[in-house]
Amino acid sequence: KNEVEQSPQNLTAQEGEFITINCSYSVGISALHWLQQHPGGGIVSLFMLSSGKKKHGRLIATINIQEKHSSLHITASHPRDSAVYICAVILPFNTDKLIFGTGTRLQVFP
Amino acid sequence: DAGITQSPRHKVTETGTPVTLRCHQTENHRYMYWYRQDPGHGLRLIHYSYGVKDTDKGEVSDGYSVSRSKTEDFLLTLESATSSQTSVYFCAISDSVGNQPQHFGDGTRLSIL
Repeated sequence: KNEVEQSPQNLTAQEGEFITINCSYSVGISALHWLQQHPGGGIVSLFMLSSGKKKHGRLIATINIQEKHSSLHITASHPRDSAVYICAVILPFNTDKLIFGTGTRLQVFP
Repeated sequence: DAGITQSPRHKVTETGTPVTLRCHQTENHRYMYWYRQDPGHGLRLIHYSYGVKDTDKGEVSDGYSVSRSKTEDFLLTLESATSSQTSVYFCAISDSVGNQPQHFGDGTRLSIL
């Protein structure tokens, strides 16, 4: 079983829909990354959070440390949001080691 | 965007040949990482570096070696490439451990025939 599980694996939506991508993990962590990978392949860090919630534009990330769960929400989705969204956890004890989920492929249609 | 350049961006080569991928950064970050990305797997750490001439193995290091002779360059070498090393390789950098994000390069698509 992977230490970081994402759901769903694939997601299609109509433009304007509210999107939720989930990430569950089974290890202790110090923080969690949400990353975005566009079809061209480049990977961009969206958020890093260790508690609560963060918001950037139409993107919102939440984390519940006790439940070992994080969600990434996209409000008013747009075709340019089409990408693979990757969750990665940072192990504790002052390390920079990341464990990655396999990603959620999102397609938003106009 | 963080200044990270991977070269080459694409490479096709034959089994048994040596291959070197280069990661160059202009951010003066201490930490550098090589990952591979394969279908059905999350990104997996191959090797990382925590300073010039200081490197360590990741979870999938067999068949790979690295070198870091300058802060800005981190080289990944496949001494004798195998078809199982066909993958997309990403370099990443970070300024410190703990709660600092890693910044990724654009990837190198490597095909071993």
